[in-house]
Amino acid sequence: EDKVVQSPLSLVVHEGDTVTLNCSYEVTNFRSLLWYKQEKKAPTFLFMLTSSGIEKKSGRLSSILDKKELFSILNITATQTGDSAVYLCAVDPGGTSYGKLTFGQGTILTVHP
Amino acid sequence: NAGVTQTPKFRILKIGQSMTLQCTQDMNHNYMYWYRQDPGMGLKLIYYSVGAGITDKGEVPNGYNVSRSTTEDFPLRLELAAPSQTSVYFCASSYRLLYEQYFGPGTRLTVT
Repeated sequence: EDKVVQSPLSLVVHEGDTVTLNCSYEVTNFRSLLWYKQEKKAPTFLFMLTSSGIEKKSGRLSSILDKKELFSILNITATQTGDSAVYLCAVDPGGTSYGKLTFGQGTILTVHP
Repeated sequence: NAGVTQTPKFRILKIGQSMTLQCTQDMNHNYMYWYRQDPGMGLKLIYYSVGAGITDKGEVPNGYNVSRSTTEDFPLRLELAAPSQTSVYFCASSYRLLYEQYFGPGTRLTVT
């Protein structure tokens, strides 16, 4: 069974801190890994990673994938209260399960002023 | 563009009742998806569709049915609602399979 595990499950920091969120996976095949941010409502897309070792960056957020060790990290630098959200990691296992994303349980990030 | 819209926003059902959750997108996306999210959990794929007339099961399809008669609409049908179907339901769409998925605002369903 495909599995995606995120850690930590929750994290509380103060504005200005840097955080690292982890996502490890076990899937039969692998096509891509996606990160989403979920505030009150629907998830919004952050990154899609398909190649190992190539960092994707958007402002203060960045992410990298290690296909050999089967994990990804999401870094947020100089955190702001608006970064408070649940961060979801999902894997597309590819093969006959192509398109069927498997999600981790999410990391709840709380940023205090 | 309205993006992905879902109705209703909230619904309370009694055990055994049926209902249809509506999902519409105006981005001309071929791919559409239904997920459920239980408290403190990630999303689980219920069904997805790669185009009008074509649907496929996801990870947790039991108790649900879908249809895709047009590109824009992808309704999810619950027959004989059970308490285990209490969840938040998200519809999503994408231009291609596994490209960026755009999510609707969700429907919070309670079955009592």
